[in-house]
Order: sequence, then C-alpha cells, then structure tokens
Amino acid sequence: GDSVTQMEGPVTLSEEAFLTINCTYTATGYPSLFWYVQYPGEGLQLLLKATKADDKGSNKGFEATYRKETTSFHLEKGSVQVSDSAVYFCALGDDKIIFGKGTRLHILP
Amino acid sequence: GAVVSQHPSWVICKSGTSVKIECRSLDFQATTMFWYRQFPKQSLMLMATSNEGSKATYEQGVEKDKFLINHASLTLSTLTVTSAHPEDSSFYICSARQESFNTEAFFGQGTRLTVV
Repeated sequence: GDSVTQMEGPVTLSEEAFLTINCTYTATGYPSLFWYVQYPGEGLQLLLKATKADDKGSNKGFEATYRKETTSFHLEKGSVQVSDSAVYFCALGDDKIIFGKGTRLHILP
Repeated sequence: GAVVSQHPSWVICKSGTSVKIECRSLDFQATTMFWYRQFPKQSLMLMATSNEGSKATYEQGVEKDKFLINHASLTLSTLTVTSAHPEDSSFYICSARQESFNTEAFFGQGTRLTVV
C-alpha cells in the first residue's frame, strides 16, 4: 500500500540556518503531496502542496518539489526562525491521506 | 482557510462506557472525512475514511464495531468509541476535504480521550 517515509527527528538548528527535511513516498498512482505543520498546542495546518510531478509548492519561505523520478518531496527553507519550531508531517493523498511519522524541529535563537 | 471544528477537545470517561466525538466542517461541504489517532511521539494513524451517505472504510487492524463512524451529512461526522478501555486513551483527530480525491484536507483541533 501507499506509504510515506520522512527523516527521524528531532532536528535542532540555529536561527538562520538552512533546513532540509527529507520525505520519500511509495504510491501506486499519482497522488498529491503535502507538508503539514503542527505548532505546539495546535492542530495540523497545511503548509504547502504539489499536485503533479515537477510542481513546486511554497509558503512562508518553505519549498518542496514533487520529484517523481526519486519519489521524493523534500522540505527546504533557506533561513529558519525560532517561530518555525514545530512538528512537520509529509503526506500523500489520493483517495485517502497518509502521513509520515513527523519530524520535530527545534530552532535555537 | 476552511475551518473544521472538533468537539469535545478533551473528555474523560469510565471504562466500559461509550463516548462520541463530533467533527464539523464549518464553511464548506465535506465529501470525505478522515479519522486519525495520534500516538505519542507524533505519528498519525489513519483509522478510517468516510464519505457522506456511505459506510466508512476502515484501515486494517481498526475494529469497526469498536470505533463507530457516522458521516450523516456533508458537514458532520461522528466517531463513537464503544465500551472504552484505558488502552483507547489517545488523541483523536478528524479532517475533512471537499473533494474525494487528491485534494488537501483540513484538520480539527483534536480530542484528548482519557479512559479511567
């Protein structure tokens, strides 16, 4: 069945550092891909999405490109801030939405 | 963005009793709703997918007689945990989407269930 694998956390970075959170997927069809974020004490929010191969999703300085050849959707940000500290989930969606295990990100001032 | 409201946000119940959790889409019609269970250390496990007016589709290993899902309208789905036991204590999250395929879902705030 469909599945999502993302890098284990926690990830700890200093403010203004470059961020990459790896995500790879297995799917039989051509799903949409998503990154969701869960800030402390809050519910999940959609961060960005891509619906087909080579699409790039972007929001709040975060980017991810749908790479069909490597079945990947890595999340990147050029300069992280303390306010980016949260748990990030990679997900794929066709008839249902499947999540990776989440990556906790800590940004130090 | 679209708003999904989940109620209650927390509930404590005695072993053997049943508890109902509601999930409402407030500003859109939800063709599909999902129920997840979030375990410690973050991971979300999909429990079931429900489409309005039809029976829910349960994931492997999820007891459909224990976790009753009703998607009675395009704005409301309910999860009833029947004969709850302490091992059912968890964080339950619903989500909803307008289309049945390939679109993003919007999430409720979750319900913390504690069975004593």
